[in-house]
Amino acid sequence: SFELTQPPSMSVSPGQTASITCSGDYLGNKYISWYQQKPGQSPVLVIFQDNRRPSGIPDRFSGSNSGNTATLTISGTQATDEADYYCQAWDSTTVVFGGGTRLTVL
Amino acid sequence: EVQLVESGGGLVQPGGSLRLSCAASGFTVRRSYMSWVRQAPGKGLEWVSLIYDAGSYTGSTTNYADSVKGRFTISRDNSKNTLYLQMNSLRAEDTAVYYCARDRTGSTGDYYYYYMDVWGKGTTVTVSS
Repeated sequence: SFELTQPPSMSVSPGQTASITCSGDYLGNKYISWYQQKPGQSPVLVIFQDNRRPSGIPDRFSGSNSGNTATLTISGTQATDEADYYCQAWDSTTVVFGGGTRLTVL
Repeated sequence: EVQLVESGGGLVQPGGSLRLSCAASGFTVRRSYMSWVRQAPGKGLEWVSLIYDAGSYTGSTTNYADSVKGRFTISRDNSKNTLYLQMNSLRAEDTAVYYCARDRTGSTGDYYYYYMDVWGKGTTVTVSS
């Protein structure tokens, strides 16, 4: 079955750039979405179709996807960006989520 | 305002059943793909099931994760604009917060896209004796 792999955690200093990766076989041939989830809250869509932002999502969030790796980039990271981030893809007839990356801003 | 509100969660014994509901407002469930996604305590997101929109050539096709296939059933009531998840033969490992979500699907010509743009706040299911 298709799997998406994310680093369990990463940290970034305020104002710096955070790059969260998501890897999977031939991932560049699929569209990737990214979700942000803060403690006790529901997931929120931050990127869809690899690099498109829903209305209301700050433009410091961007995405890319090529080869076997998709990347969520947060430029000028703020304390409010501290959260769990999940990548997601469609595989044939099912939805697949990555294991999630906990981003700490310190 | 587009909104999803889940209900029906609770404490149930192993082997028991529960039906979750997801009331939608601001859009029509019948015209949307819809999913259930769950999150076990301290764990990541796990997709559970989806139902196609009623207007597609595939009608009300449903898909399930292997972990729930044969035990869970997704359905909708168009008159109530509500999505359901019937859960039977529940196990301890089904303990989780269950979210319903509105799905967006389509193709740009190159690839097929599928993502969830609206999520409910979730309802908690605890399977324990």
